[in-house]
Amino acid sequence: DAKTTQPPSMDCAEGRAANLPCNHSTISGNEYVYWYRQIHSQGPQYIIHGLKNNETNEMASLIITEDRKSSTLILPHATLRDTAVYYCIVRVGELIFGQGTELSVKP
Amino acid sequence: DAGITQSPRHKVTETGTPVTLRCHQTENHRYMYWYRQDPGHGLRLIHYSYGVKDTDKGEVSDGYSVSRSKTEDFLLTLESATSSQTSVYFCAIRGYEQYFGPGTRLTVT
Repeated sequence: DAKTTQPPSMDCAEGRAANLPCNHSTISGNEYVYWYRQIHSQGPQYIIHGLKNNETNEMASLIITEDRKSSTLILPHATLRDTAVYYCIVRVGELIFGQGTELSVKP
Repeated sequence: DAGITQSPRHKVTETGTPVTLRCHQTENHRYMYWYRQDPGHGLRLIHYSYGVKDTDKGEVSDGYSVSRSKTEDFLLTLESATSSQTSVYFCAIRGYEQYFGPGTRLTVT
C-alpha cells in the first residue's frame, strides 16, 4: 500500500471548517483514498472515500488533486464532537493505518 | 457499531495463560479483521479472514492465532499471553466499508 503523510496535530475553532491535508505521492492508479476517524477509546469510524473525483457525504467532503498525490478532508462546520484522530489511508486491499492527525476543535 | 460485538470488553490475565477474544457479526460479511492498538503505533493488523476457515496473517501476527468456523464469529487466541500483548484489540468487518467493533482492553500482568 502507498504511504501517507499527515500533520500530527491541528486545531480548529468550533463552527469553522476543518481542512485536513494528506500527501500520498506514491499512490497507484487503482488505490482509493479513505478517511477514518477515531474518537478517544472508540473503534475507528468510516468517513468517506474516493478514487479521483471529489466526494461529499453528510459528514464531510473529500478533495483529491488532479494528479492524485494529495487530498484534503473538509469538515464544513466543525463541532466539539469532531475532536478525534483522523486517518488518511490509500488502499486496494486491507487497511493499513498510519499515525493520523489529531484534530482538536476548540470553543 | 454496524452489527459487531466483541467479548469480553475488558480482561486482565496473567502471563502464560491462554486467552481467546471473540468477534461476532450479524451482517453476514465475508471479511473480518483483528487489529491491535498501542500508544505510538496506531492500529496494526494482526490477522484477517476472507471466509469460513480462510485466514491470513497481517503485519503483527506472531504470538496470535485465529479461527473462523462460522461466518459470524472470528476468534483471536493468544496461546500463552505475554505482557507485550497488553493492548486494545479491535475487530472489524468489511462490507461496503470497514466497520469496527467497540474494542477489547486486554491487560497481561
